[in-house]
Formats: sequence, C-alpha cells, structure tokens
Amino acid sequence: AQSVTQLDSHVSVSEGTPVLLRCNYSSSYSPSLFWYVQHPNKGLQLLLKYTSAATLVKGINGFEAEFKKSETSFHLTKPSAHMSDAAEYFCVVSLNTGFQKLVFGTGTRLLVSP
Amino acid sequence: DARVTQTPRDKVTEMGQEVTMRCQPILGHNTVFWYRQTMMQGLELLAYFRNRAPLDDSGMPKDRFSAEMPDATLATLKIQPSEPRDSAVYFCASGPGVAGGLTDTQYFGPGTRLTVL
Repeated sequence: AQSVTQLDSHVSVSEGTPVLLRCNYSSSYSPSLFWYVQHPNKGLQLLLKYTSAATLVKGINGFEAEFKKSETSFHLTKPSAHMSDAAEYFCVVSLNTGFQKLVFGTGTRLLVSP
Repeated sequence: DARVTQTPRDKVTEMGQEVTMRCQPILGHNTVFWYRQTMMQGLELLAYFRNRAPLDDSGMPKDRFSAEMPDATLATLKIQPSEPRDSAVYFCASGPGVAGGLTDTQYFGPGTRLTVL
C-alpha cells in the first residue's frame, strides 16, 4: 500500500527566507506525487505534480519539488517566502493504476512572519 | 474560470436530521470524489465516481451515508440520520480522467462545513 509521511506538522519562516516542507512516500509501484495547498476556509489547490517525467517539478507561485527515488522523498521548496504562502500544505501519493485514489499526508502548516 | 461548486457552504443541523450536500463538477470532467476533512482523521476519501458510476465507496459508513450522481452535472452526498460525529468539512473534487492509467489532477470545491448538534 502507498502512504506519505510529512515530517513536520508546523514550519515557521520569516518573509523572504527559503521554505522547505518535507515529504517521504512509500509505494510499491511507480507513483504519482502531488502537493496541494489549503488556505484557511478554502478548498485544496494543486501546487504541482510529478508523474514520472522530469524529477524536478515546477509549480505555481514559485514552488518546486524534486522527486528522489533513492531517498523516497518529494520535498517542496521555495526560494523566498511571501506572507501569502501561509497555509496548510498536503503531500499526496497515488498509484498509476487508473484507479485515481489519492492518499493524503497529515499536512504541514506553514507560518510566515514579517 | 471553471470551478467545482458546492452547496451549501455551511450547514448546522440537529442530530437525527437528514443532510444533503450537492456538488457541481467542472463541465467535461468524468471523475467525481467526495472527501471528509476532520482534525483527527485528516482528509478521507468517502466515494469515487467515474462516468457517474460509483467505483469505490468503501470509505463511507454504509448505514447512514449515500452518494449518487443523478446526472453528469450533479453529485449528492446524503447523511440520514446525521450524528454529531459527522461534523466535518466535506469536499467534492472532480477530474478530467486520464487515459493510460496515470492519476489525473483533482480540482476541489470550497467545501461544505457541517455541524451536527
């Protein structure tokens, strides 16, 4: 079975400093991996996804993630945090079996201070 | 800008009452999902439809929950009778469906916040 582990429940950064949100996955097969963001009282929005093409994936709002098979990781990064980045971030894994089932991590809350 | 819409956005009801939540998927999408989000359990998949047919509802309590797609533009999630433990945010998502087995992107609605007193 596939699963994801988000290593930090909360991450605090200052505006203008780099962001690193960590995610490790477990999957018996070649997975698809996603990062979704959820702003307070909003639905989830896709940031980026990996589907076995390029291992470095660029998403919206300056975020990117690198798929590292040897480390079973898919960490999310951004060079410079903005106040508007404060939100909950979910790492998500899915098997490419056509079944379309997503397995969500527990989420990391990003806090950005001025 | 195509979006998934959900109604109502907020619902407060008393234990034992029937609750119906509605979702309009993005036009042309052929997969629809219902999720429940709580602090304790996080995001859980309740049901999954493809081309209006239910493919998986193993995450849904069968005795009180039911999910249907009367037509391609409407998905419903009903709880009867509702209980306080059903209090959560319920999200609907839709996807375009991708041939070849790759998992496609799911587009989420804004959610229905349900409170059962």
